[in-house]
Amino acid sequence: SQTIHQWPATLVQPVGSPLSLECTVEGTSNPNLYWYRQAAGRGLQLLFYSVGIGQISSEVPQNLSASRPQDRQFILSSKKLLLSDSGFYLCAWIAPTGQNGYTFGSGTRLTVV
Amino acid sequence: QQPVQSPQAVILREGEDAVINCSSSKALYSVHWYRQKHGEAPVFLMILLKGGEQKGHEKISASFNEKKQQSSLYLTASQLSYSGTYFCGTERVGSNYQLIWGAGTKLIIKP
Repeated sequence: SQTIHQWPATLVQPVGSPLSLECTVEGTSNPNLYWYRQAAGRGLQLLFYSVGIGQISSEVPQNLSASRPQDRQFILSSKKLLLSDSGFYLCAWIAPTGQNGYTFGSGTRLTVV
Repeated sequence: QQPVQSPQAVILREGEDAVINCSSSKALYSVHWYRQKHGEAPVFLMILLKGGEQKGHEKISASFNEKKQQSSLYLTASQLSYSGTYFCGTERVGSNYQLIWGAGTKLIIKP
């Protein structure tokens, strides 16, 4: 069966520090992968999506970047965090057929202090 | 363009019914529905493709009116476990499963 792993679950980082969040998917190949951010009590904001290795599309220009070094690995990074980067970060995947919708990782709650 | 969800919030007694609507001004290929409980990730409920189909999942069902570009989620005889925020995600033709999300509808079920 397909599973998605996202870590860490919680992160407190000082302003100006780097960030690396990792997401891996098991049990499928060639998934579409997504990074979302959710502010408290708000909806889902798409940050990046990828349809294949090395293919990254950015939806929101900011100090975040994403990479997909392997088919089932998606990494969200920042060189210098801002206070406004705080939020709930969610990785998600969908199979090439799209039949079963998005499966989300358990999320990373990032607090920048 | 973000789909419009209504209502923004609804409070029900256990056993009551609810309808959540999701409307788009653009032609849609599909509509997804998800439920998110506090502090957790959204969970997929169902997907409806253009063609006006209706789907059911236990006491939760949904419809998609292609002419109106509107989908409705029906929760029948609500249970406490139905509490959470419901999001619709709309997919346009050719968007390769990239969804545009509604702002969410918060559903509170009271005993």
